[in-house]
Amino acid sequence: AQSVAQPEDQVNVAEGNPLTVKCTYSVSGNPYLFWYVQYPNRGLQFLLKYITGDNLVKGSYGFEAEFNKSQTSFHLKKPSALVSDSALYFCAVRDKIGILTGGGNKLTFGTGTQLKVEL
Amino acid sequence: NAGVTQTPKFQVLKTGQSMTLQCAQDMNHNSMYWYRQDPGMGLRLIYYSASEGTTDKGEVPNGYNVSRLNKREFSLRLESAAPSQTSVYFCASSSQGYRTNTGELFFGEGSRLTVL
Repeated sequence: AQSVAQPEDQVNVAEGNPLTVKCTYSVSGNPYLFWYVQYPNRGLQFLLKYITGDNLVKGSYGFEAEFNKSQTSFHLKKPSALVSDSALYFCAVRDKIGILTGGGNKLTFGTGTQLKVEL
Repeated sequence: NAGVTQTPKFQVLKTGQSMTLQCAQDMNHNSMYWYRQDPGMGLRLIYYSASEGTTDKGEVPNGYNVSRLNKREFSLRLESAAPSQTSVYFCASSSQGYRTNTGELFFGEGSRLTVL
């Protein structure tokens, strides 16, 4: 079974400061890892993903995430937060074999972390 | 380019009533999904269709049925709505196949359902 944990319900950051939203995962074999963002009353938007290769993945809106296999983590980061980054962030995982063998992209999502960036 | 379109966006039902949520995608994706979002529980998979003509249960299928009408459309039906089904429902789609699958899901804007 695959699972994701987002240990923080909410993260508060001052604008201009770096931000980190934490995610740890559990999956059989190699993982596909994703971050999504949800603004109020909207659907989820894809931010970035890790499939293979460099452990530091760059995505939309200046976000990046670091894959750490030994710690089974995939933390979302941004060097300088903006008020407009305030939203709900979801980490998600899928095992690689499941995606490639035609079983569908049945992503398992974390419970979400509310990011609040204040002036 | 509409992407994934869900209807209705809002619905209020009484306990025991039935309704169908509609979803259509115009990205030529093979796979489609229905998730529900509840506070503190993230998104949970209800049903999915890996390809046209197939449907499978997800994590929380009880009380729901689905129909993959064609490659574009995937509907979710509540036969006898219960207050526990009050939630926000999201439809999503993804490509399939070793060469074309990029892994991520593409989501609709959501359907907010209240069951009284």
